[in-house]
Amino acid sequence: SQTIHQWPATLVQPVGSPLSLECTVEGTSNPNLYWYRQAAGRGLQLLFYSVGIGQISSEVPQNLSASRPQDRQFILSSKKLLLSDSGFYLCAWSGTFSGNTIYFGEGSWLTVV
Amino acid sequence: SQQGEEDPQALSIQEGENATMNCSYKTSINNLQWYRQNSGRGLVHLILIRSNEREKHSGRLRVTLDTSKKSSSLLITASRAADTASYFCATESRDDKIIFGKGTRLHILP
Repeated sequence: SQTIHQWPATLVQPVGSPLSLECTVEGTSNPNLYWYRQAAGRGLQLLFYSVGIGQISSEVPQNLSASRPQDRQFILSSKKLLLSDSGFYLCAWSGTFSGNTIYFGEGSWLTVV
Repeated sequence: SQQGEEDPQALSIQEGENATMNCSYKTSINNLQWYRQNSGRGLVHLILIRSNEREKHSGRLRVTLDTSKKSSSLLITASRAADTASYFCATESRDDKIIFGKGTRLHILP
């Protein structure tokens, strides 16, 4: 069966520090991968979307970046965090066919102080 | 950018009553899905309805889709305390991106 792992679960980082959130998927190949951000009590904002290794679509301008060094690995990064980067970050995957369910990781709480 | 918009933003009902949430979207879609999120957790898939379907059922859930109005509704019948959560609609556009709405916070009162 497929599983998705996301870490760390909780992170407190000072303004200006770097960020690295990692996500891996097991039990499937060539998944579509997503990074979403959810501000407190708000909806999900699609940040990055990847259909394959090295193929990243950025949905919103920001100081975050994403990379997909391996088929089932998706990394969210920042060189210098801003206070506004605080939020709940969710990694997700889906199959490559239309109508596939999205499966979410448990999320990473990031607080920038 | 947001695609789906849920309505209402928040809903409180008595246990046993039915809860109805609506979702409107802007562009043509392949399908629409509803998800549930317990506080501070990841989202869990509830049901998917394809663009050529009008209604779908799963247990106590009933979803409708009106592509002419670009809207969908989620009905939860005979609500339970455990149904308290946030509910999101997600639309899959023609380029296969999946975009979520802002969600409806549902609170079931004992």
